[in-house]
Amino acid sequence: GENVEQHPSTLSVQEGDSAVIKCTYSDSASNYFPWYKQELGKGPQLIIDIRSNVGEKKDQRIAVTLNKTAKHFSLHITETQPEDSAVYFCAASFSGTYKYIFGTGTRLKVLA
Amino acid sequence: ETGVTQTPRHLVMGMTNKKSLKCEQHLGHNAMYWYKQSAKKPLELMFVYSLEERVENNSVPSRFSPECPNSSHLFLHLHTLQPEDSALYLCASSQSLLGLAGAHGEQFFGPGTRLTVL
Repeated sequence: GENVEQHPSTLSVQEGDSAVIKCTYSDSASNYFPWYKQELGKGPQLIIDIRSNVGEKKDQRIAVTLNKTAKHFSLHITETQPEDSAVYFCAASFSGTYKYIFGTGTRLKVLA
Repeated sequence: ETGVTQTPRHLVMGMTNKKSLKCEQHLGHNAMYWYKQSAKKPLELMFVYSLEERVENNSVPSRFSPECPNSSHLFLHLHTLQPEDSALYLCASSQSLLGLAGAHGEQFFGPGTRLTVL
């Protein structure tokens, strides 16, 4: 069935270090992979996305990589800052439906 | 107001109460969604509306009843809920229905309603 696994569930890094969050998906037909950031008291907000015809996408300090063969994708945050502290969710489109299947989230803490 | 708004932000109700959650989007979008967010679980898609018509109902118990009177407003009517229904209920919208004909795009989420069922 449809499934997205996300690791780690919590991640603490020192300010200025890099953070990496990984997700694997089960539907080989998935072709769209968004990442959302959820701050306390707010709804998730899209921060970056990638389509299956692209292997990597970068936006300033944030990058996402996709390995279709292995069915996994990762979020990379460089030069982390305290305001990067939040819960991050990965998601994958589920072919033929309106669904995005979400991971269980990673709570990132950036220590000053 | 801009974006997606939800009211109330917090709600405590007993199992015999009837209450409604309200969502409003000011983005001119055509699709709206209800999600349930529980601790340590993935977001669960509950209902999907496109142009005010329900297109998805993911086996949600009948004690949850959605209503979409127009493309800007979405309601979730609640009655005889159970304690396990306590969660954050998120509303989202998108320009068009996600996944339709292979199209994908951003979902804009509201801040959610924190529901506690006693």
